[in-house]
Formats: sequence, structure tokens, C-alpha cells
Amino acid sequence: DGLLLESGGDLIQPGGSLRLSCAASGFSFSTSAISWVRQAPGKGLEWVSAISGNGAGTYYADPVKGRFTISRDNSKGTVYLQMNSLRAEDTAVYYCAKERRYSPDPFDIWGQGTMVSVSS
Amino acid sequence: EIVMTQSPVTLSVSPGERATLSCRASQHIISNLAWYHQKPGQAPRLLIYSASTRATGIPARFSGSGSGTEFTLTISSLQSEDSGVYYCQQYNNWPPGYTFGQGTKLEIK
Repeated sequence: DGLLLESGGDLIQPGGSLRLSCAASGFSFSTSAISWVRQAPGKGLEWVSAISGNGAGTYYADPVKGRFTISRDNSKGTVYLQMNSLRAEDTAVYYCAKERRYSPDPFDIWGQGTMVSVSS
Repeated sequence: EIVMTQSPVTLSVSPGERATLSCRASQHIISNLAWYHQKPGQAPRLLIYSASTRATGIPARFSGSGSGTEFTLTISSLQSEDSGVYYCQQYNNWPPGYTFGQGTKLEIK
């Protein structure tokens, strides 16, 4: 069925940096596109970034473009989200999610989420 | 960017009754629409993709319809575990990215 497990969330000051990790198991990782989706407290879902299975294609939502970088290590079955110049509005639960089959496609596997709080 | 608008914002329905949730896209998205269900403190769960295809393990009481810009999720014979927030998502306009509706909160009376 597949599992995703996020880690790396923390309380960080504005302007700081953080790297999130998403460890995958139970499915063909290297052929699967993975996205990060965030949810601010009490709010809806917001797509943040995506990476293709081979890592050649990376995509970003406008609010994070130029500040966040998505990458993956297929040998480790892990996707990363490097977040720089963090702002208060980046405060959210960050989920990683696997696309169902071929991009673009909805997300059939989600992690449990990791909390990022940006505050002084 | 394609804007997804869901209605109603909240819905209260009795157990055993039917719930109808709507999602409208600001541009035509063919049938590239998914529905998710999220319970408090949990990650979303995929219910429907391609507007009307149930995801693996989803009960038959969940059904989706629509194409173009107007979509509907119907939950027949509501059960207590169906409470939570339902989101629609378009995946037609790619790139630049996916967009979600703002959600419909479903309460079971």
C-alpha cells in the first residue's frame, strides 16, 4: 500500500531555514512523483511543491518560489524540502504526498504531517 | 491559476440521509478532479479521482459526477465516520500546479 513519513518540523524564527524529510516505503519510489502540501492552522490545503520520479522536474507554488527547494535521493527513498527565508505565513502542517500514477494525478498516499511554526 | 470554489461551507445531515457537496472550477478542467476527506488531526484521504472513479477501498456510498467546471460529490446513507472536511482538487492545469477548494465541513447530526 505504501507509507510516507515526514520529519524535520520545528519552531523557527522568521528568516530562518529548515529542511523537511519525507521517507517512503512500500511502493516504487523512483517512478513516483512526490509533492509537499501544507495546511495552516484551521485552514485548507495548499499545494507547495512537487518533484518528478527521477528528480529532473521540480515545480513550486508562487508563494514559495525562490525560497523553497525540493529534492530527492532515490537511493535513500527520501524527498526533501529545504525552506529558507521563512515567514510567519509559512506556519503550517507540511504533508508529503505521492501522486497516484502519472503526473498530473491526485495523491493516493499521504504522510502524517510535520509541524513548522515560524515565530519570534 | 484555476480557482476551485466549494459549496456549501458547512453541511449538517442526519445519519442515513444523503449529502451533496459541490465544487466549481474557474476554468474547464475536463474530468481532472479529485475529492478528499480529512478528519481532525489526520491527513486527507483520496476518495474520488477522474471526477467519478472511487479510489481503492472507498465504499460505494461515495460517488462523484460532473465535468468541465461543475462537479458533485454525493454521499448516500451517511454514517458517523463520514464527518469531517471534504476538499476538491483540480489536476488539469499542470504545470504550474494543483489547486484545492476551500473545503466543505460535513457534520452528522
